Amino acid sequence: GESVGLHLPTLSVQEGDNSIINCAYSNSASDYFIWYKQESGKGPQFIIDIRSNMDKRQGQRVTVLLNKTVKHLSLQIAATQPGDSAVYFCAEIRNQGGKLIFGQGTELSVKP
Amino acid sequence: DTAVSQTPKYLVTQMGNDKSIKCEQNLGHDTMYWYKQDSKKFLKIMFSYNNKELIINETVPNRFSPKSPDKAHLNLHINSLELGDSAVYFCASSQEWAGGNYGYTFGSGTRLTVV
Repeated sequence: GESVGLHLPTLSVQEGDNSIINCAYSNSASDYFIWYKQESGKGPQFIIDIRSNMDKRQGQRVTVLLNKTVKHLSLQIAATQPGDSAVYFCAEIRNQGGKLIFGQGTELSVKP
Repeated sequence: DTAVSQTPKYLVTQMGNDKSIKCEQNLGHDTMYWYKQDSKKFLKIMFSYNNKELIINETVPNRFSPKSPDKAHLNLHINSLELGDSAVYFCASSQEWAGGNYGYTFGSGTRLTVV
Protein backbone atom coordinates (compact mmCIF):
# COMPACT_ATOMS: atom_id res chain seq x y z
CA GLY A 1 0.00 0.00 0.00
CA GLU A 2 1.04 3.63 -0.54
CA SER A 3 0.08 6.97 0.92
CA VAL A 4 0.58 10.43 -0.42
CA GLY A 5 1.18 12.03 2.95
CA LEU A 6 -0.79 15.23 3.16
CA HIS A 7 -3.70 13.97 1.08
CA LEU A 8 -4.00 10.51 2.62
CA PRO A 9 -3.21 10.68 6.31
CA THR A 10 -4.23 7.04 6.82
CA LEU A 11 -2.82 3.94 5.17
CA SER A 12 -4.21 0.46 5.63
CA VAL A 13 -2.21 -2.57 4.51
CA GLN A 14 -2.41 -6.32 4.85
CA GLU A 15 0.12 -8.03 7.06
CA GLY A 16 3.06 -9.17 4.97
CA ASP A 17 2.60 -6.52 2.29
CA ASN A 18 5.07 -3.71 1.71
CA SER A 19 4.10 -0.20 2.85
CA ILE A 20 5.16 3.09 1.33
CA ILE A 21 4.65 6.30 3.25
CA ASN A 22 5.32 9.54 1.40
CA CYS A 23 6.25 12.98 2.58
CA ALA A 24 6.80 16.30 0.84
CA TYR A 25 9.16 18.68 2.57
CA SER A 26 9.15 22.41 2.14
CA ASN A 27 12.64 23.81 2.43
CA SER A 28 15.32 23.11 -0.15
CA ALA A 29 17.90 24.18 2.45
CA SER A 30 17.07 21.19 4.65
CA ASP A 31 20.00 18.82 4.75
CA TYR A 32 19.01 16.11 7.15
CA PHE A 33 15.82 14.08 7.28
CA ILE A 34 14.44 11.66 9.81
CA TRP A 35 11.52 9.26 9.93
CA TYR A 36 9.84 8.75 13.27
CA LYS A 37 7.32 6.19 14.45
CA GLN A 38 4.82 7.15 17.13
CA GLU A 39 2.81 4.44 18.83
CA SER A 40 -0.27 5.25 20.85
CA GLY A 41 0.59 6.89 24.16
CA LYS A 42 4.29 7.18 23.35
CA GLY A 43 6.69 9.76 22.03
CA PRO A 44 8.16 9.76 18.51
CA GLN A 45 10.78 7.06 18.09
CA PHE A 46 13.66 7.31 15.61
CA ILE A 47 13.45 4.86 12.71
CA ILE A 48 15.95 5.94 10.08
CA ASP A 49 17.64 9.07 8.83
CA ILE A 50 19.22 10.29 5.64
CA ARG A 51 21.45 13.20 4.71
CA SER A 52 20.85 15.35 1.67
CA ASN A 53 23.96 13.99 -0.09
CA MET A 54 22.32 10.56 -0.28
CA ASP A 55 19.38 9.24 -2.32
CA LYS A 56 18.70 6.04 -0.44
CA ARG A 57 19.43 4.46 2.88
CA GLN A 58 18.46 1.04 4.13
CA GLY A 59 17.84 -0.25 7.61
CA GLN A 60 16.28 -3.38 8.95
CA ARG A 61 13.07 -3.82 6.89
CA VAL A 62 12.97 -0.08 6.21
CA THR A 63 14.31 2.00 3.36
CA VAL A 64 14.24 5.75 3.02
CA LEU A 65 14.37 7.39 -0.40
CA LEU A 66 15.14 11.05 -0.93
CA ASN A 67 14.37 12.98 -4.11
CA LYS A 68 15.76 16.46 -3.70
CA THR A 69 14.59 17.57 -7.12
CA VAL A 70 10.95 17.38 -6.11
CA LYS A 71 11.56 17.65 -2.35
CA HIS A 72 10.07 14.26 -1.65
CA LEU A 73 10.88 11.66 0.96
CA SER A 74 9.48 8.17 1.30
CA LEU A 75 9.65 5.39 3.85
CA GLN A 76 9.29 1.83 2.65
CA ILE A 77 8.53 -0.90 5.14
CA ALA A 78 9.02 -4.44 3.91
CA ALA A 79 6.78 -7.28 5.05
CA THR A 80 4.65 -5.02 7.25
CA GLN A 81 3.73 -6.50 10.61
CA PRO A 82 0.96 -5.65 13.10
CA GLY A 83 3.62 -4.11 15.35
CA ASP A 84 4.29 -1.56 12.62
CA SER A 85 0.86 0.01 13.21
CA ALA A 86 1.55 3.57 14.32
CA VAL A 87 1.68 7.15 13.10
CA TYR A 88 4.74 7.86 10.99
CA PHE A 89 6.27 11.32 10.69
CA CYS A 90 8.92 12.69 8.43
CA ALA A 91 11.00 15.48 9.87
CA GLU A 92 13.57 17.82 8.40
CA ILE A 93 16.41 19.73 9.94
CA ARG A 94 17.29 23.00 8.33
CA ASN A 95 20.89 24.01 8.28
CA GLN A 96 20.46 26.88 10.68
CA GLY A 97 19.84 26.23 14.34
CA GLY A 98 19.13 22.56 13.93
CA LYS A 99 15.41 23.05 14.40
CA LEU A 100 13.55 19.79 13.79
CA ILE A 101 10.44 20.45 11.73
CA PHE A 102 7.81 17.73 11.50
CA GLY A 103 5.59 17.01 8.55
CA GLN A 104 2.04 15.82 8.85
CA GLY A 105 1.85 12.26 10.14
CA THR A 106 0.49 9.24 8.31
CA GLU A 107 -1.36 6.62 10.33
CA LEU A 108 -0.44 3.12 9.26
CA SER A 109 -2.89 0.36 10.11
CA VAL A 110 -1.87 -3.25 9.52
CA LYS A 111 -4.62 -5.81 9.08
CA PRO A 112 -3.80 -9.36 10.18
CA ASP B 1 16.89 3.92 32.48
CA THR B 2 14.60 6.24 30.57
CA ALA B 3 16.64 8.60 28.41
CA VAL B 4 14.16 11.49 28.41
CA SER B 5 11.59 11.42 31.17
CA GLN B 6 8.67 13.77 31.71
CA THR B 7 6.31 14.16 34.61
CA PRO B 8 3.43 13.98 34.99
CA LYS B 9 2.19 11.72 32.20
CA TYR B 10 -1.36 13.00 32.59
CA LEU B 11 -2.51 16.37 33.89
CA VAL B 12 -6.13 17.44 34.20
CA THR B 13 -6.75 20.93 35.48
CA GLN B 14 -9.27 23.75 35.42
CA MET B 15 -9.11 26.86 33.30
CA GLY B 16 -7.18 29.66 34.92
CA ASN B 17 -4.86 27.41 36.92
CA ASP B 18 -1.06 27.45 36.74
CA LYS B 19 0.75 24.16 36.15
CA SER B 20 4.24 22.85 35.47
CA ILE B 21 5.61 19.93 33.49
CA LYS B 22 9.08 18.64 34.25
CA CYS B 23 11.62 17.05 31.94
CA GLU B 24 14.97 15.42 32.56
CA GLN B 25 17.41 13.79 30.17
CA ASN B 26 20.30 11.52 31.13
CA LEU B 27 21.90 11.39 27.68
CA GLY B 28 24.34 14.19 28.29
CA HIS B 29 22.80 16.15 25.41
CA ASP B 30 23.41 19.88 25.12
CA THR B 31 20.03 20.91 23.75
CA MET B 32 16.51 20.35 25.01
CA TYR B 33 13.14 21.17 23.48
CA TRP B 34 9.44 21.38 24.10
CA TYR B 35 7.05 20.30 21.37
CA LYS B 36 3.27 20.52 21.34
CA GLN B 37 1.14 17.88 19.61
CA ASP B 38 -2.40 18.89 18.80
CA SER B 39 -5.49 16.73 18.37
CA LYS B 40 -4.59 16.14 14.70
CA LYS B 41 -1.19 14.78 15.76
CA PHE B 42 0.67 17.75 14.35
CA LEU B 43 3.97 18.29 16.22
CA LYS B 44 5.21 21.86 16.54
CA ILE B 45 8.30 23.12 18.29
CA MET B 46 7.74 25.60 21.11
CA PHE B 47 11.12 26.19 22.72
CA SER B 48 14.73 25.13 22.51
CA TYR B 49 17.44 25.53 25.14
CA ASN B 50 21.14 24.96 24.65
CA ASN B 51 23.20 24.67 27.81
CA LYS B 52 20.54 26.51 29.80
CA GLU B 53 20.21 29.32 27.26
CA LEU B 54 17.06 29.97 25.26
CA ILE B 55 17.77 29.42 21.56
CA ILE B 56 14.36 29.06 19.94
CA ASN B 57 11.15 30.66 21.03
CA GLU B 58 8.41 30.07 18.51
CA THR B 59 5.26 32.14 18.55
CA VAL B 60 4.06 30.90 21.90
CA PRO B 61 1.91 32.94 24.32
CA ASN B 62 3.95 34.38 27.15
CA ARG B 63 1.80 32.39 29.54
CA PHE B 64 4.26 29.60 28.67
CA SER B 65 7.60 29.99 30.40
CA PRO B 66 10.35 27.40 30.06
CA LYS B 67 13.02 27.14 32.72
CA SER B 68 16.29 25.26 32.50
CA PRO B 69 18.10 24.99 35.85
CA ASP B 70 20.87 22.93 34.21
CA LYS B 71 21.44 21.33 30.84
CA ALA B 72 19.80 18.06 31.92
CA HIS B 73 16.49 19.67 32.88
CA LEU B 74 13.94 21.74 31.03
CA ASN B 75 10.67 22.50 32.75
CA LEU B 76 7.60 24.13 31.27
CA HIS B 77 5.39 26.37 33.37
CA ILE B 78 2.02 27.46 32.07
CA ASN B 79 0.05 30.30 33.64
CA SER B 80 -3.67 30.95 33.37
CA LEU B 81 -4.43 27.77 31.50
CA GLU B 82 -6.94 27.96 28.66
CA LEU B 83 -9.03 25.28 26.96
CA GLY B 84 -6.88 25.60 23.84
CA ASP B 85 -3.81 24.57 25.79
CA SER B 86 -5.13 21.02 25.91
CA ALA B 87 -2.64 18.91 23.98
CA VAL B 88 0.19 16.45 24.43
CA TYR B 89 3.48 18.13 25.28
CA PHE B 90 6.72 16.36 24.41
CA CYS B 91 10.15 17.07 25.75
CA ALA B 92 13.13 16.15 23.57
CA SER B 93 16.89 16.48 23.61
CA SER B 94 19.65 16.40 21.03
CA GLN B 95 23.42 16.55 20.82
CA GLU B 96 25.25 19.33 19.05
CA TRP B 97 27.85 18.05 16.63
CA ALA B 98 29.58 19.52 13.57
CA GLY B 99 27.35 22.59 13.56
CA GLY B 100 24.10 20.69 13.72
CA ASN B 101 21.85 18.93 16.18
CA TYR B 102 21.43 15.17 16.01
CA GLY B 103 20.20 12.21 17.98
CA TYR B 104 16.84 13.77 18.79
CA THR B 105 15.24 11.70 21.54
CA PHE B 106 11.72 12.27 22.78
CA GLY B 107 10.04 11.70 26.08
CA SER B 108 6.76 9.82 26.30
CA GLY B 109 4.66 12.96 26.54
CA THR B 110 2.41 14.74 29.01
CA ARG B 111 -1.27 14.81 28.12
CA LEU B 112 -2.67 18.09 29.40
CA THR B 113 -6.44 18.44 29.58
CA VAL B 114 -7.90 21.79 30.57
CA VAL B 115 -11.55 21.67 31.67
